[in-house]
Amino acid sequence: SQELEQSPQSLIVQEGKNLTINCTSSKTLYGLYWYKQKYGEGLIFLMMLQKGGEEKSHEKITAKLDEKKQQSSLHITASQPSHAGIYLCGAGAPNSGGSNYKLTFGKGTLLTVNP
Amino acid sequence: ETGVTQTPRHLVMGMTNKKSLKCEQHLGHNAMYWYKQSAKKPLELMFVYSLEERVENNSVPSRFSPECPNSSHLFLHLHTLQPEDSALYLCASSHYLSWDPYEQYFGPGTRLTVT
Repeated sequence: SQELEQSPQSLIVQEGKNLTINCTSSKTLYGLYWYKQKYGEGLIFLMMLQKGGEEKSHEKITAKLDEKKQQSSLHITASQPSHAGIYLCGAGAPNSGGSNYKLTFGKGTLLTVNP
Repeated sequence: ETGVTQTPRHLVMGMTNKKSLKCEQHLGHNAMYWYKQSAKKPLELMFVYSLEERVENNSVPSRFSPECPNSSHLFLHLHTLQPEDSALYLCASSHYLSWDPYEQYFGPGTRLTVT
């Protein structure tokens, strides 16, 4: 089965600093999703990457997909306290026994942004 | 009320207790999901319902019993739990039984502690 390894497990940065979170898959990536979770809240969908080399941005968050490396990175520029939370990556696989609703998730990266 | 709601938000129960978690959505979605999020573990899919019919039981112990009386409500009945069952239980819903992150909504979760 597919496994997603996220690094780092946790990260503490000073407000205004840039940071990168990585998500590496044990198998070929066919779609990679990034979510953010705040304590006591559900997952909030951030971005979906489907093609190798694809890059998407939303406000100060940029995600890239490196298909060859089976890896995705999430980069935050000029971090703010509002960026704090847990970032999760999720990946799907084609023909998951006909179950196209099954996703594999990483363990998450806990981001703390100090003012 | 919009989105996916879950009650209670926090629950502490003894190993001999019986309790139920409730999830509700009024988004007109046809599929609902239960996930378990344990500390330092990836998000795990537990059960999936589509049109009130269970389509997935991801090797979940029988001490967890789901119920979907209608397309808007999903329950997770708990009995004789173990301390290792302590986790955040997330409910999600989607329009159809597929993973389209643009259409999938997560509830805030129920933080369960088993003593």
